[in-house]
Amino acid sequence: DTAVSQTPKYLVTQMGNDKSIKCEQNLGHDTMYWYKQDSKKFLKIMFSYNNKELIINETVPNRFSPKSPDKAHLNLHINSLELGDSAVYFCASSQDWPTYEQYFGPGTRLTVT
Amino acid sequence: KNEVEQSPQNLTAQEGEFITINCSYSVGISALHWLQQHPGGGIVSLFMLSSGKKKHGRLIATINIQEKHSSLHITASHPRDSAVYICAAFLPGNQFYFGTGTSLTVIP
Repeated sequence: DTAVSQTPKYLVTQMGNDKSIKCEQNLGHDTMYWYKQDSKKFLKIMFSYNNKELIINETVPNRFSPKSPDKAHLNLHINSLELGDSAVYFCASSQDWPTYEQYFGPGTRLTVT
Repeated sequence: KNEVEQSPQNLTAQEGEFITINCSYSVGISALHWLQQHPGGGIVSLFMLSSGKKKHGRLIATINIQEKHSSLHITASHPRDSAVYICAAFLPGNQFYFGTGTSLTVIP
């Protein structure tokens, strides 16, 4: 029983393509997050949703759009992929916002060629 | 300048040693998280602190709100503790900043 799952685990695509990464949590949590870890292993928050409402929307290109169809899912859609988008993307969830322990997904390694 | 600074950047210890990793932040925070990233890439939350001290097994995390400083201690270190340890601060205004991580290697 995976608590926070992401698909796909690996994604290799060409510049200019549109791709999505899916995230699902079965913990009954109200808050979900997307993080980006760059090649230097530095983590940065991208988005956070609480009860399907966007609460953190960091300065990321508007080519990145989160979609939360329900509390258990937070998908990340990326348009017009660029080389600099290559990174590992982590999804996470927590019971509520803001000061609760977070549970991380296994990560999706995106490589843009 | 990063809002959250960690030290040391790299740390090598002998098995059994007591280890301390430090995290400093520049503004008042609501909470501070300690995370562990395994060599395989997976991330696990170790602690979430807003005051005082927490202990889980051989791991202890402390936070001093006045000094804007938190420490993660590992007692009786073991090679399986080898990982990257990351602190992350939740700041007012819904801001969330990560430290650059401390890479720990414990040698048998």
